[in-house]
Amino acid sequence: AQKVTQAQTEISVVEKEDVTLDCVYETRDTTYYLFWYKQPPSGELVFLIRRNSFDEQNEISGRYSWNFQKSTSSFNFTITASQVVDSAVYFCALYQAGTALIFGKGTTLSVSS
Amino acid sequence: NAGVTQTPKFQVLKTGQSMTLQCAQDMNHEYMSWYRQDPGMGLRLIHYSVGAGITDQGEVPNGYNVSRSTTEDFPLRLLSAAPSQTSVYFCASGSSGGYYEQYFGPGTRLTVT
Repeated sequence: AQKVTQAQTEISVVEKEDVTLDCVYETRDTTYYLFWYKQPPSGELVFLIRRNSFDEQNEISGRYSWNFQKSTSSFNFTITASQVVDSAVYFCALYQAGTALIFGKGTTLSVSS
Repeated sequence: NAGVTQTPKFQVLKTGQSMTLQCAQDMNHEYMSWYRQDPGMGLRLIHYSVGAGITDQGEVPNGYNVSRSTTEDFPLRLLSAAPSQTSVYFCASGSSGGYYEQYFGPGTRLTVT
């Protein structure tokens, strides 16, 4: 069965600190996709990144970076030099073709100035 | 493109009433799904569809019905509302051609009294 675990329920940091959000997934399939979504206080779900199971390259986008490691079934998300606008709930999710996204319970990030 | 639209945005029901949450997408996506979001629980999958005429149950299907008669529409029916169904409901759509990235609607906030 598929499962996504985000062990960190809440994280609080001060602006300019780096922060890493952990995501561990379980699946029996060899083909799958991993996602991160952001949900700001306004409530909408914002797509951040997608990774397929055959691409273990890390990715960097501005202050955001993602570390995908199949050996540990992890897809961690790091925000460098955090800002107040990064305050949100962040969800990791897993997708297998023919099904639907399965989400973790989310990590609430609070960045104070 | 309107993307994914959901109506209504807010709804209050009395216990035992029935209603339909509407979801429509204009991106010709084959995949559509319904989630509910409750505090501390993340987004939980209710029902999903991989194409017109095909639906399947997710993690929390009890008390909900769906049908997919067209590619564009995926309504969610509450048969007999219960206070436990008080939640925020999100509809999403995606396609294999888009590598399964899910586009989310703005959500419907439902309160059952």
